[in-house]
Amino acid sequence: SAVISQKPSRDICQRGTSLTIQCQVDSQVTMMFWYRQQPGQSLTLIATANQGSEATYESGFVIDKFPISRPNLTFSTLTVSNMSPEDSSIYLCSVESASYYNEQFFGPGTRLTVL
Amino acid sequence: AQSVTQLDSHVSVSEGTPVLLRCNYSSSYSPSLFWYVQHPNKGLQLLLKYTSAATLVKGINGFEAEFKKSETSFHLTKPSAHMSDAAEYFCVVSSNFGNEKLTFGTGTRLTIIP
Repeated sequence: SAVISQKPSRDICQRGTSLTIQCQVDSQVTMMFWYRQQPGQSLTLIATANQGSEATYESGFVIDKFPISRPNLTFSTLTVSNMSPEDSSIYLCSVESASYYNEQFFGPGTRLTVL
Repeated sequence: AQSVTQLDSHVSVSEGTPVLLRCNYSSSYSPSLFWYVQHPNKGLQLLLKYTSAATLVKGINGFEAEFKKSETSFHLTKPSAHMSDAAEYFCVVSSNFGNEKLTFGTGTRLTIIP
């Protein structure tokens, strides 16, 4: 399994500001994923990030609001832009397993509170 | 298209008694199925996975799940609950036909009564 770290682990932000979340993996992976988990809810996929190409966003998520970078095979960032209280969620990154393509390993998450 | 339904949002069992968390799925193609656990303020941990091999899958911490195609179910069980099992459990489906996306169920919160 991959070891995944995220920074920050939590943050409290003001409305209208932006926050960039970092995801670091201990091995090279082709695909990385970003999820949102709203309070008391399940996980929703925001986008899929492949190295060397633009991220693919799911319905309801747009690049202007959630820009993603994927500069290399071990790192990705997700920015939550122009935040509102509705963006208060846990944001998780995940990576595909090297041994089974449908299996994913998750980072510990970033707990974001927007005031 | 794929979807997953977790039939119970909350389950409470006494310590030492069996655990049953129910999950039904829908998938246009042969599915992969997973159970993940999320302890409070922690990330997601993979409990077990079904990948078209044996229909009875054993996972970590004594959990197991049985894939029943005729019932489109993948229920999670454990013979004897432990206090440390208290957590949120997610049933997840993915297609084996080149689609890496995971579809999560709404989750089941398991409470263990001492």
